[in-house]
Amino acid sequence: DVKVTQSSRYLVKRTGEKVFLECVQDMDHENMFWYRQDPGLGLRLIYFSYDVKMKEKGDIPEGYSVSREKKERFSLILESASTNQTSMYLCASSLYTGVGETQYFGPGTRLLVL
Amino acid sequence: DQQVKQNSPSLSVQEGRISILNCDYTNSMFDYFLWYKKYPAEGPTFLISISSIKDKNEDGRFTVFLNKSAKHLSLHIVPSQPGDSAVYFCAASSGTYKYIFGTGTRLKVLA
Repeated sequence: DVKVTQSSRYLVKRTGEKVFLECVQDMDHENMFWYRQDPGLGLRLIYFSYDVKMKEKGDIPEGYSVSREKKERFSLILESASTNQTSMYLCASSLYTGVGETQYFGPGTRLLVL
Repeated sequence: DQQVKQNSPSLSVQEGRISILNCDYTNSMFDYFLWYKKYPAEGPTFLISISSIKDKNEDGRFTVFLNKSAKHLSLHIVPSQPGDSAVYFCAASSGTYKYIFGTGTRLKVLA
């Protein structure tokens, strides 16, 4: 059974702080993803990683960076948090990069930036 | 510009009846479609998918229909159960790892 865990369920940060969101998957999946979910906008892809140290920008990468030093761990970094980054952040992983490959999601981190 | 649209933000259905959730898309290059279900405080979980070479895929109580000419897909749940109450997202892909998600429909099944 695939398990994707996220380090925090809720986070409150101040504007300008550096924020780290951590995600770990336990199924040796090649691919990992970071999305944000906002009301009326659905899930939007921030970054994607297809291998250790490899990454691709998603649809909304501005203001974010990522790090994947180990296969099982994918971190999302907000270099200088802003109030418009208040959102629900969802991490996902998938085994391969094939069409229709199922993505398995973590429970999400709800981030509030004050 | 929302390429995948779920125009009904919410839907209420009586237990035992059919739930029909709709999804429209604009990009004719999409060739694979998925539905995910999301309970509160949990991440989305995969429910069912369909390739563009088919017009119907069934899995137990869940059936997805695809109408390519209308760029429309729908998820039918028969019979609906209270445990089906959740937010449902449709997603589309054009031959890559990248999914474009809709905005979600909140289904409430009334006992």
